[in-house]
Amino acid sequence: NAGVTQTPKFQVLKTGQSMTLQCAQDMNHNSMYWYRQDPGMGLRLIYYSASEGTTDKGEVPNGYNVSRLNKREFSLRLESAAPSQTSVYFCASSQGLARTYEQYFGPGTRLTVT
Amino acid sequence: AQSVTQPDIHITVSEGASLELRCNYSYGATPYLFWYVQSPGQGLQLLLKYFSGDTLVQGIKGFEAEFKRSQSSFNLRKPSVHWSDAAEYFCAVKRGGSQGNLIFGKGTKLSVKP
Repeated sequence: NAGVTQTPKFQVLKTGQSMTLQCAQDMNHNSMYWYRQDPGMGLRLIYYSASEGTTDKGEVPNGYNVSRLNKREFSLRLESAAPSQTSVYFCASSQGLARTYEQYFGPGTRLTVT
Repeated sequence: AQSVTQPDIHITVSEGASLELRCNYSYGATPYLFWYVQSPGQGLQLLLKYFSGDTLVQGIKGFEAEFKRSQSSFNLRKPSVHWSDAAEYFCAVKRGGSQGNLIFGKGTKLSVKP
């Protein structure tokens, strides 16, 4: 049982390049989330998917797109990377039903945009 | 609007000493509350959660937290800190409504002196 996996672990992009961060979970969870973590800012929600087939914006969606490919996989795409998107990105999943809202996190992707 | 406040950005305690990390939330109804721990370079790991019932909840690694509705607090405690507890700790509350989104505090970094 791997839990939540993310690829890649590290990435360096030049301004304007695009890339997709991959996330998969094997816990049969309904809901999946993408966060970014910046020093002193805690975790900020970028996008989430409450269930397969749905996606919604979080606090900081600008510059990102997401795809809920199936129940297991939820990808985050940067179409034209900017230095302000330098951050650590975390994917998480949860059952998302009554009394099971705890989220389980992947190990993160450290992204640097130069 | 809902929010979570962790008043202490950084705390240093001696190994073997007791620990209390503070968390205050704003939410009108009974909240769903969580504490997570993040070791350097890692993802977040769930320490404990509170949904209802007994206001003192036990978690992993010897941690406990107490829900106090009158103070809108959910403080994390440990009777005797170990060097391996050095990490960053995040308090979170479930956002109101049917979605499972969590709102995170900005975190408290714990250092442990030998």
